[in-house]
Amino acid sequence: AQSVTQPDIHITVSEGASLELRCNYSYGATPYLFWYVQSPGQGLQLLLKYFSGDTLVQGIKGFEAEFKRSQSSFNLRKPSVHWSDAAEYFCAVGATGAGSYQLTFGKGTKLSVIP
Amino acid sequence: DTGVSQDPRHKITKRGQNVTFRCDPISEHNRLYWYRQTLGQGPEFLTYFQNEAQLEKSRLLSDRFSAERPKGSFSTLEIQRTEQGDSAMYLCASSLAGTGWYNEQFFGPGTRLTVL
Repeated sequence: AQSVTQPDIHITVSEGASLELRCNYSYGATPYLFWYVQSPGQGLQLLLKYFSGDTLVQGIKGFEAEFKRSQSSFNLRKPSVHWSDAAEYFCAVGATGAGSYQLTFGKGTKLSVIP
Repeated sequence: DTGVSQDPRHKITKRGQNVTFRCDPISEHNRLYWYRQTLGQGPEFLTYFQNEAQLEKSRLLSDRFSAERPKGSFSTLEIQRTEQGDSAMYLCASSLAGTGWYNEQFFGPGTRLTVL
């Protein structure tokens, strides 16, 4: 069974600083990987996804993530954080078994942004 | 913008009562998913439908839980004899079934259940 670990429960950064949120996954085959963001009172919004090909993927809101098979990682980055990025971020892996479409999420990383 | 909607947004109930939640997916989406999110955790998969067929259920979906999608449009999730451990945010998502594995799951705002 697949699993996702987000080692950082809470991160605080200053506005304008760079950001990296860590994600490690466990899965037997090449995984499908996702980053979602959840703001208070809002539904989960997909930031970006990786299926295959180029290991550096670009997403919305200026986010990018890099898939590193050797490290089983899919870390999310942003070069300059804005106050509106404060939210909770979830990494997820999708099962590639036939007929299974569930996502397995990590526990999330809460991002606080200092003005 | 007709995204995924869920009703009610909040529900407070007493232990032992039954509750029912409704999810209206994006209109052309034929896959519908239910997840549960407890405090400090990520969403956990419960079940999913393709059209009206329930194709996958998680071990988390105990006998007290039942989900339906009678006409392949909206879905309901019922919890019978609620327990305090059922307190959580219940999330609904929908997607198109395409030729590839994955089409983006669009999530609703969730229904927050509190069992007293």
